Amino acid sequence: AQSVTQPDIHITVSEGASLELRCNYSYGATPYLFWYVQSPGQGLQLLLKYFSGDTLVQGIKGFEAEFKRSQSSFNLRKPSVHWSDAAEYFCAVAPYGNKLVFGAGTILRVKS
Amino acid sequence: DTAVSQTPKYLVTQMGNDKSIKCEQNLGHDTMYWYKQDSKKFLKIMFSYNNKELIINETVPNRFSPKSPDKAHLNLHINSLELGDSAVYFCASSPGRTGPTYGYTFGSGTRLTVV
Repeated sequence: AQSVTQPDIHITVSEGASLELRCNYSYGATPYLFWYVQSPGQGLQLLLKYFSGDTLVQGIKGFEAEFKRSQSSFNLRKPSVHWSDAAEYFCAVAPYGNKLVFGAGTILRVKS
Repeated sequence: DTAVSQTPKYLVTQMGNDKSIKCEQNLGHDTMYWYKQDSKKFLKIMFSYNNKELIINETVPNRFSPKSPDKAHLNLHINSLELGDSAVYFCASSPGRTGPTYGYTFGSGTRLTVV
């Protein structure tokens, strides 16, 4: 079945440590790819997106993501996590049209 | 100056009632959406309107009826509320018909609790 998978429900990292959040998708063609962040009680904010071209994309708040076609992955990274990054992160794909399909989300906890 | 605003932010109601959630965007976007986020935080699209025309209608009970009086507003009316309707409902908008390529702007959500 076509889907978006975020295998980690929770991740805890120390402040200042590096972060990688995983995302895999199962669609035949390469869809448009996105990462969103949701802070508690807030809506979703777009961090970055990939359509084509350079497979390493830069986003806001120091985040980046790398598209790997061979692995059907679009993992989100940040070299040094800040306490304010604690939130829930959603990977999403747009396989066709204007419908976004979301993964189940990964909750990031940052310990000081 | 809120870009996508939803009202109310919280809604607690009894089973069987009818309720509406309103959404307004001041971004000049052509397309608006309703997404439902269930208790497991899973987000799924419900409806999409482009310039008042319904373009996405997922498998949603017909108790849910979207209404778009103009391209800046998309309201969601729910009849005969059930316990399973409890969720957070997000409104979103995008500039073009193919929303994801331009990015969505989400509202802050309406938490609906049916008791």
